[in-house]
Amino acid sequence: EAQVTQNPRYLITVTGKKLTVTCSQNMNHEYMSWYRQDPGLGLRQIYYSMNVEVTDKGDVPEGYKVSRKEKRNFPLILESPSPNQTSLYFCASCQGTGYGYTFGSGTRLTVV
Amino acid sequence: GDSVTQMEGPVTLSEEAFLTINCTYTATGYPSLFWYVQYPGEGLQLLLKATKADDKGSNKGFEATYRKETTSFHLEKGSVQVSDSAVYFCARGWNTGFQKLVFGTGTRLLVSP
Repeated sequence: EAQVTQNPRYLITVTGKKLTVTCSQNMNHEYMSWYRQDPGLGLRQIYYSMNVEVTDKGDVPEGYKVSRKEKRNFPLILESPSPNQTSLYFCASCQGTGYGYTFGSGTRLTVV
Repeated sequence: GDSVTQMEGPVTLSEEAFLTINCTYTATGYPSLFWYVQYPGEGLQLLLKATKADDKGSNKGFEATYRKETTSFHLEKGSVQVSDSAVYFCARGWNTGFQKLVFGTGTRLLVSP
């Protein structure tokens, strides 16, 4: 089944403790992206990647890092999480222009 | 800057009512346009899309037409069901090169029996 897989689905952590949210897609898509969803703000892009080793900032990149060492994986790294990063995070991948994104099921992160 | 504006929700309808959720966008050129649906506790699913002016996207009884003149992509369904209750997001994509997918803030639809 074609899909984007994120892990974990739920995570509660403490301020300052480094964490990684994994994302993997099995569709051989070149484009991948991370979004966060917050009430009243919709979805905002954090980072995106056009291909292996090619990444760039989205609208809200502060406090996040990404890497794209393999085509299928695009992990999101929070080096020192803070409470304002409490949010619902989505990873997505895309075949190309006009195709739209396929989204993962989401990771609900709480930073206390 | 480029943006997508959706009508505020929630939209509350009775089963079999007609649905319209308005969406307008600003962009340079002619971007692809999408509607996504998010059911409770789930990720976003692509509902329909249109890639050029006057295109009509359709899926599961939902339709939306790419209106270049009014920069709109309104979502419609002739007869909603309780199972259509969800949050609907309008989004603007890119037409050349690679840009971010810009989302509206979402419109919650509540359908009662």
